[in-house]
Amino acid sequence: AAGVIQSPRHLIKEKRETATLKCYPIPRHDTVYWYQQGPGQDPQFLISFYEKMQSDKGSIPDRFSAQQFSDYHSELNMSSLELGDSALYFCASSLRGADTQYFGPGTRLTVL
Amino acid sequence: DAKTTQPPSMDCAEGRAANLPCNHSTISGNEYVYWYRQIHSQGPQYIIHGLKNNETNEMASLIITEDRKSSTLILPHATLRDTAVYYCIVWFAGGTSYGKLTFGQGTILTVHP
Repeated sequence: AAGVIQSPRHLIKEKRETATLKCYPIPRHDTVYWYQQGPGQDPQFLISFYEKMQSDKGSIPDRFSAQQFSDYHSELNMSSLELGDSALYFCASSLRGADTQYFGPGTRLTVL
Repeated sequence: DAKTTQPPSMDCAEGRAANLPCNHSTISGNEYVYWYRQIHSQGPQYIIHGLKNNETNEMASLIITEDRKSSTLILPHATLRDTAVYYCIVWFAGGTSYGKLTFGQGTILTVHP
Protein backbone atom coordinates (compact mmCIF):
# COMPACT_ATOMS: atom_id res chain seq x y z
CA ALA A 1 0.00 0.00 0.00
CA ALA A 2 1.15 3.53 -0.73
CA GLY A 3 2.60 5.39 2.21
CA VAL A 4 3.35 8.97 3.12
CA ILE A 5 6.33 10.30 1.21
CA GLN A 6 8.66 12.93 2.59
CA SER A 7 11.48 14.71 0.86
CA PRO A 8 14.28 15.22 1.28
CA ARG A 9 15.14 12.50 3.76
CA HIS A 10 18.21 14.35 4.97
CA LEU A 11 19.01 18.03 4.84
CA ILE A 12 22.01 19.97 6.10
CA LYS A 13 21.78 23.74 6.40
CA GLU A 14 23.78 26.55 7.91
CA LYS A 15 22.44 28.90 10.57
CA ARG A 16 20.18 31.64 9.22
CA GLU A 17 19.49 29.72 6.01
CA THR A 18 16.06 28.55 4.87
CA ALA A 19 14.74 25.05 4.33
CA THR A 20 11.68 23.57 2.67
CA LEU A 21 10.36 20.15 3.60
CA LYS A 22 7.80 18.40 1.46
CA CYS A 23 5.13 15.87 2.31
CA TYR A 24 3.03 13.80 -0.06
CA PRO A 25 0.10 12.17 1.75
CA ILE A 26 -1.37 8.77 1.13
CA PRO A 27 -3.63 8.95 -1.96
CA ARG A 28 -7.12 10.28 -1.13
CA HIS A 29 -6.01 11.54 2.29
CA ASP A 30 -7.02 15.17 2.70
CA THR A 31 -5.47 16.02 6.06
CA VAL A 32 -1.78 16.55 6.76
CA TYR A 33 0.00 16.97 10.09
CA TRP A 34 3.56 18.08 10.84
CA TYR A 35 5.49 16.95 13.90
CA GLN A 36 8.96 17.81 15.17
CA GLN A 37 11.11 15.42 17.20
CA GLY A 38 14.23 16.81 18.80
CA PRO A 39 17.09 14.57 19.96
CA GLY A 40 15.93 12.31 22.78
CA GLN A 41 12.45 13.83 22.77
CA ASP A 42 9.00 12.65 21.81
CA PRO A 43 7.31 13.94 18.64
CA GLN A 44 5.63 17.32 19.12
CA PHE A 45 2.79 18.60 16.97
CA LEU A 46 3.49 21.66 14.86
CA ILE A 47 0.59 22.31 12.51
CA SER A 48 -2.10 20.60 10.47
CA PHE A 49 -4.16 21.22 7.36
CA TYR A 50 -7.52 19.94 6.24
CA GLU A 51 -8.70 20.54 2.70
CA LYS A 52 -5.95 23.12 2.18
CA MET A 53 -6.96 25.16 5.23
CA GLN A 54 -4.97 25.32 8.45
CA SER A 55 -6.93 23.29 10.98
CA ASP A 56 -4.78 23.31 14.11
CA LYS A 57 -1.58 24.87 15.34
CA GLY A 58 0.87 23.75 17.99
CA SER A 59 4.19 25.14 19.17
CA ILE A 60 5.34 26.20 15.75
CA PRO A 61 7.84 29.08 15.68
CA ASP A 62 6.87 32.20 13.76
CA ARG A 63 9.90 31.52 11.54
CA PHE A 64 8.10 28.45 10.23
CA SER A 65 5.19 28.45 7.83
CA ALA A 66 3.35 25.72 6.02
CA GLN A 67 0.68 25.24 3.44
CA GLN A 68 -1.27 22.52 1.74
CA PHE A 69 -1.72 22.57 -2.02
CA SER A 70 -4.58 21.57 -4.29
CA ASP A 71 -3.11 18.08 -4.76
CA TYR A 72 -3.02 17.81 -0.92
CA HIS A 73 0.72 17.74 -0.65
CA SER A 74 2.16 20.03 1.98
CA GLU A 75 5.32 22.04 2.44
CA LEU A 76 6.92 23.24 5.66
CA ASN A 77 9.03 26.34 5.15
CA MET A 78 11.61 27.17 7.77
CA SER A 79 13.54 30.44 7.73
CA SER A 80 16.36 31.92 9.80
CA LEU A 81 17.35 28.45 10.88
CA GLU A 82 18.79 28.01 14.35
CA LEU A 83 20.89 25.22 15.81
CA GLY A 84 17.88 24.18 17.90
CA ASP A 85 15.88 23.46 14.76
CA SER A 86 17.99 20.36 14.20
CA ALA A 87 15.48 17.56 14.51
CA LEU A 88 13.46 14.92 12.77
CA TYR A 89 10.39 16.31 11.04
CA PHE A 90 7.55 13.92 10.45
CA CYS A 91 4.51 14.34 8.29
CA ALA A 92 1.38 12.30 8.83
CA SER A 93 -1.79 12.07 6.81
CA SER A 94 -5.35 10.96 7.42
CA LEU A 95 -8.73 10.98 5.77
CA ARG A 96 -11.09 13.78 6.79
CA GLY A 97 -9.04 14.62 9.85
CA ALA A 98 -10.98 12.25 12.05
CA ASP A 99 -9.26 9.06 11.13
CA THR A 100 -6.06 7.22 11.89
CA GLN A 101 -2.89 9.16 11.13
CA TYR A 102 -0.17 7.44 9.16
CA PHE A 103 3.35 8.77 9.37
CA GLY A 104 6.04 9.24 6.80
CA PRO A 105 9.69 8.25 7.29
CA GLY A 106 10.70 11.75 8.29
CA THR A 107 13.22 14.35 7.23
CA ARG A 108 16.34 14.72 9.34
CA LEU A 109 17.35 18.37 9.41
CA THR A 110 20.79 19.28 10.66
CA VAL A 111 21.62 22.94 11.20
CA LEU A 112 25.32 23.72 11.46
CA ASP B 1 -6.98 15.07 25.54
CA ALA B 2 -6.78 12.75 28.49
CA LYS B 3 -3.35 12.13 29.97
CA THR B 4 -1.79 8.69 29.76
CA THR B 5 0.70 6.97 32.05
CA GLN B 6 2.99 4.20 30.86
CA PRO B 7 5.95 2.43 32.45
CA PRO B 8 9.19 3.91 31.11
CA SER B 9 10.66 0.57 30.11
CA MET B 10 9.90 -3.14 29.83
CA ASP B 11 11.78 -6.25 28.80
CA CYS B 12 10.46 -9.28 26.99
CA ALA B 13 11.99 -12.55 25.82
CA GLU B 14 11.80 -13.29 22.14
CA GLY B 15 8.82 -15.50 21.29
CA ARG B 16 6.95 -14.58 24.43
CA ALA B 17 3.95 -12.27 24.69
CA ALA B 18 4.67 -8.64 25.48
CA ASN B 19 1.97 -6.94 27.56
CA LEU B 20 2.26 -3.16 27.65
CA PRO B 21 -0.01 -1.36 30.11
CA CYS B 22 -1.40 2.14 29.88
CA ASN B 23 -3.44 4.14 32.37
CA HIS B 24 -5.86 6.80 31.11
CA SER B 25 -8.14 7.39 34.07
CA THR B 26 -9.51 10.73 32.76
CA ILE B 27 -10.57 9.42 29.37
CA SER B 28 -13.86 10.76 28.03
CA GLY B 29 -16.58 8.68 26.47
CA ASN B 30 -15.82 9.80 22.94
CA GLU B 31 -12.05 9.39 23.13
CA TYR B 32 -10.26 6.50 21.50
CA VAL B 33 -7.17 4.70 22.75
CA TYR B 34 -4.50 4.59 20.06
CA TRP B 35 -1.18 2.77 20.09
CA TYR B 36 1.80 3.72 17.95
CA ARG B 37 5.37 2.57 18.08
CA GLN B 38 8.60 4.15 16.95
CA ILE B 39 11.55 2.05 15.98
CA HIS B 40 14.74 4.05 16.33
CA SER B 41 14.34 7.38 14.47
CA GLN B 42 11.76 5.95 12.06
CA GLY B 43 8.32 7.46 11.63
CA PRO B 44 5.78 6.42 14.28
CA GLN B 45 3.94 3.32 13.15
CA TYR B 46 0.24 2.86 13.80
CA ILE B 47 -0.51 -0.39 15.63
CA ILE B 48 -4.12 -0.51 16.76
CA HIS B 49 -6.90 1.53 18.32
CA GLY B 50 -10.16 0.99 20.15
CA LEU B 51 -13.03 2.74 21.87
CA LYS B 52 -14.70 0.27 24.23
CA ASN B 53 -14.33 -3.23 22.91
CA ASN B 54 -11.21 -5.32 22.69
CA GLU B 55 -9.58 -5.21 19.28
CA THR B 56 -7.24 -7.51 17.39
CA ASN B 57 -5.38 -7.12 14.13
CA GLU B 58 -2.42 -8.77 12.48
CA MET B 59 0.03 -6.87 14.67
CA ALA B 60 -1.45 -6.89 18.14
CA SER B 61 -4.41 -7.09 20.48
CA LEU B 62 -5.82 -4.25 22.55
CA ILE B 63 -7.60 -4.99 25.79
CA ILE B 64 -9.58 -2.08 27.29
CA THR B 65 -10.99 -2.40 30.80
CA GLU B 66 -14.72 -2.06 31.24
CA ASP B 67 -14.39 1.32 32.95
CA ARG B 68 -12.02 2.39 30.14
CA LYS B 69 -9.51 3.76 32.61
CA SER B 70 -6.72 1.50 31.45
CA SER B 71 -5.70 -0.69 28.56
CA THR B 72 -3.09 -3.26 27.60
CA LEU B 73 -1.39 -3.72 24.26
CA ILE B 74 -0.44 -7.34 23.63
CA LEU B 75 2.16 -8.42 21.13
CA PRO B 76 1.50 -12.17 21.10
CA HIS B 77 4.91 -13.42 19.96
CA ALA B 78 7.51 -10.71 20.34
CA THR B 79 10.50 -10.66 18.00
CA LEU B 80 13.70 -8.66 18.12
CA ARG B 81 12.19 -6.31 15.52
CA ASP B 82 9.51 -5.33 18.03
CA THR B 83 12.09 -3.47 20.10
CA ALA B 84 10.80 0.11 20.00
CA VAL B 85 9.18 2.93 21.95
CA TYR B 86 5.46 2.24 22.34
CA TYR B 87 3.11 5.18 22.75
CA CYS B 88 -0.39 4.99 24.18
CA ILE B 89 -2.39 8.03 23.07
CA VAL B 90 -5.91 9.05 23.93
CA TRP B 91 -7.45 10.86 20.99
CA PHE B 92 -10.78 12.39 20.17
CA ALA B 93 -11.79 11.67 16.62
CA GLY B 94 -15.04 13.18 15.55
CA GLY B 95 -17.05 16.25 14.83
CA THR B 96 -14.90 19.16 13.72
CA SER B 97 -11.84 17.89 15.52
CA TYR B 98 -8.78 17.55 13.34
CA GLY B 99 -6.97 16.24 16.32
CA LYS B 100 -3.28 16.33 16.76
CA LEU B 101 -1.66 13.37 18.47
CA THR B 102 -0.07 14.19 21.80
CA PHE B 103 2.87 11.87 22.38
CA GLY B 104 3.74 11.22 26.00
CA GLN B 105 6.76 9.49 27.46
CA GLY B 106 6.02 6.04 26.02
CA THR B 107 7.40 2.65 27.01
CA ILE B 108 10.75 1.47 25.71
CA LEU B 109 10.22 -2.22 24.99
CA THR B 110 13.38 -4.27 24.64
CA VAL B 111 13.00 -7.77 23.25
CA HIS B 112 15.99 -9.94 24.02
CA PRO B 113 17.00 -13.35 22.65
